[in-house]
Amino acid sequence: EAGVTQFPSHSVIEKGQTVTLRCDPISGHDNLYWYRRVMGKEIKFLLHFVKESKQDESGMPNNRFLAERTGGTYSTLKVQPAELEDSGVYFCASSQARTGLANTEAFFGQGTRLTVV
Amino acid sequence: TQLLEQSPQFLSIQEGENLTVYCNSSSVFSSLQWYRQEPGEGPVLLVTVVTGGEVKKLKRLTFQFGDARKDSSLHITAAQPGDTGLYLCAGAGWNTGNQFYFGTGTSLTVIP
Repeated sequence: EAGVTQFPSHSVIEKGQTVTLRCDPISGHDNLYWYRRVMGKEIKFLLHFVKESKQDESGMPNNRFLAERTGGTYSTLKVQPAELEDSGVYFCASSQARTGLANTEAFFGQGTRLTVV
Repeated sequence: TQLLEQSPQFLSIQEGENLTVYCNSSSVFSSLQWYRQEPGEGPVLLVTVVTGGEVKKLKRLTFQFGDARKDSSLHITAAQPGDTGLYLCAGAGWNTGNQFYFGTGTSLTVIP
């Protein structure tokens, strides 16, 4: 069974440009999460989808970030326009049940390293 | 504000030595998970602890959840080079929705 896959693995863009990150969760996982790690900081939550609905987007930094999960399958995270402080590693994770439950495991993708120059 | 503090941040030891990594918070968590991450990969779950005072063993790794559910520790016995990696703790709370709060991580290097 394929794990969580993310594309691209690396992206280098100029300030002001647009970048779209993609995440394919494990098949059958209704819950999908985006997390981000900026240099020297901890991994931080961005948002949570249940199927195609945004359950919690409290971690989204600002309105330059837009996440979608049309059809409840793969998800995209668009940054427009990108700023220098958006650089970091963006992780996607999926789980069968929501991760607030004690025995639920979230499976993480390998991450997309975004560098804004 | 950092919700989960991990210590030490970096650790370099010789093969065969023992080590302990700490994860501390002033907040109470319903569960706490430990992950290991290797370069270029995402975090991989090692264990979940859910009961205050719980101790779980995974081969040479021993995980403990504090009685007050605010802290946890990871102890590795007779470390091996294959244990090298970034160890992350992550807590989930009753009032934190479905998100994990991650610690900053402990980078472990085991020298052969």
